[in-house]
Amino acid sequence: DVKVTQSSRYLVKRTGEKVFLECVQDMDHENMFWYRQDPGLGLRLIYFSYDVKMKEKGDIPEGYSVSREKKERFSLILESASTNQTSMYLCASSFAGENGYTFGSGTRLTVV
Amino acid sequence: QKEVEQDPGPLSVPEGAIVSLNCTYSNSAFQYFMWYRQYSRKGPELLMYTYSSGNKEDGRFTAQVDKSSKYISLFIRDSQPSDSATYLCATDNAGNMLTFGGGTRLMVKP
Repeated sequence: DVKVTQSSRYLVKRTGEKVFLECVQDMDHENMFWYRQDPGLGLRLIYFSYDVKMKEKGDIPEGYSVSREKKERFSLILESASTNQTSMYLCASSFAGENGYTFGSGTRLTVV
Repeated sequence: QKEVEQDPGPLSVPEGAIVSLNCTYSNSAFQYFMWYRQYSRKGPELLMYTYSSGNKEDGRFTAQVDKSSKYISLFIRDSQPSDSATYLCATDNAGNMLTFGGGTRLMVKP
């Protein structure tokens, strides 16, 4: 069964910590995406990547960075976590030229 | 104005009812239309996929696109409690970049 795996389901971090959210896909997808999902705001795109070592800003990149050193892995980094980054984080992937995304199960991050 | 608008609900229906979920969009360049289903504490999963205007049926689910009015619908026949979830519509202009609606929460009561 093909899948997108996010390393943690639940995470609690302190304000100011550097936080790493990991996402791995086993479908050989070129495209990978990071979203956050908040009640009333829906899915908002943080960053995406079309290829290894490539990254593009989404709609809300402030306070985040990403890394894609290998095709199957796309990491989201919160440089200095803040309480307003408490959210559900969703990773997704797709083939180039196709727009059916496969999502991971999400990481619910709480920053205290 | 958001590019894709969706009533957040919640929409509560009895088991067996026909459910109609709807989205409107503003960008006439959108060509691909999708519906995702998201169960509580899970990631969204692709449910239906259509290209341009028309209908597509898959079991109890029918997706309908009316590009002239920029209106997307998902119909669920004989709704079941297991259909209780949040339904997200999504559109794409062939740029590999989806635009999502905010989601409609559906509750099907036994």
